[in-house]
Amino acid sequence: DTAVSQTPKYLVTQMGNDKSIKCEQNLGHDTMYWYKQDSKKFLKIMFSYNNKELIINETVPNRFSPKSPDKAHLNLHINSLELGDSAVYFCASSPTLAGMGNEQFFGPGTRLTVL
Amino acid sequence: ILNVEQSPQSLHVQEGDSTNFTCSFPSSNFYALHWYRWETAKSPEALFVMTLNGDEKKKGRISATLNTKEGYSYLYIKGSQPEDSATYLCAFAGTASKLTFGTGTRLQVTL
Repeated sequence: DTAVSQTPKYLVTQMGNDKSIKCEQNLGHDTMYWYKQDSKKFLKIMFSYNNKELIINETVPNRFSPKSPDKAHLNLHINSLELGDSAVYFCASSPTLAGMGNEQFFGPGTRLTVL
Repeated sequence: ILNVEQSPQSLHVQEGDSTNFTCSFPSSNFYALHWYRWETAKSPEALFVMTLNGDEKKKGRISATLNTKEGYSYLYIKGSQPEDSATYLCAFAGTASKLTFGTGTRLQVTL
């Protein structure tokens, strides 16, 4: 059983399009995250939800909008895609807040390529 | 901007060698320090989460120590094996909710 799953695994699209990436966890965790792995392989937090409530919203363009319909899902919608959005996006979850000693479980990543 | 630094950036050792890496983080507002192992084409997997100054954790041949007063953590691998080849990430929690990741130490173990 996959603990944290993401779809799609690969996404190739044209500049200007709108796309979504879905994330689901079956671990019963309260907290979910979106990270972007940049060109230097660095993991940067984008958003975090705790019990469906947004608790972290880093300096991310307004074109990125997360949505958490329930505790098990955290989707990422991206409007008007730009070349610089090309990256690998990782979803993660933890039982509660990561700073309270809870390890994070990562999904397999979604490689987004904007042409 | 939080500085979480890892050294060395990369490391190449022979099978059987023991090795260690360093993670440096701010010594104020400490909540937790995480270590993750990230193999190529896979996702990061948690090794340790430490929350108390002086914590020492061990999993098989891998162990970690934590000094929150001076802001560093060491990860040790005893008797490295080729399957230990991966990038080792540390992540610092300066608040309850957010992890800031270091850039990682890439370890390659050859026969």
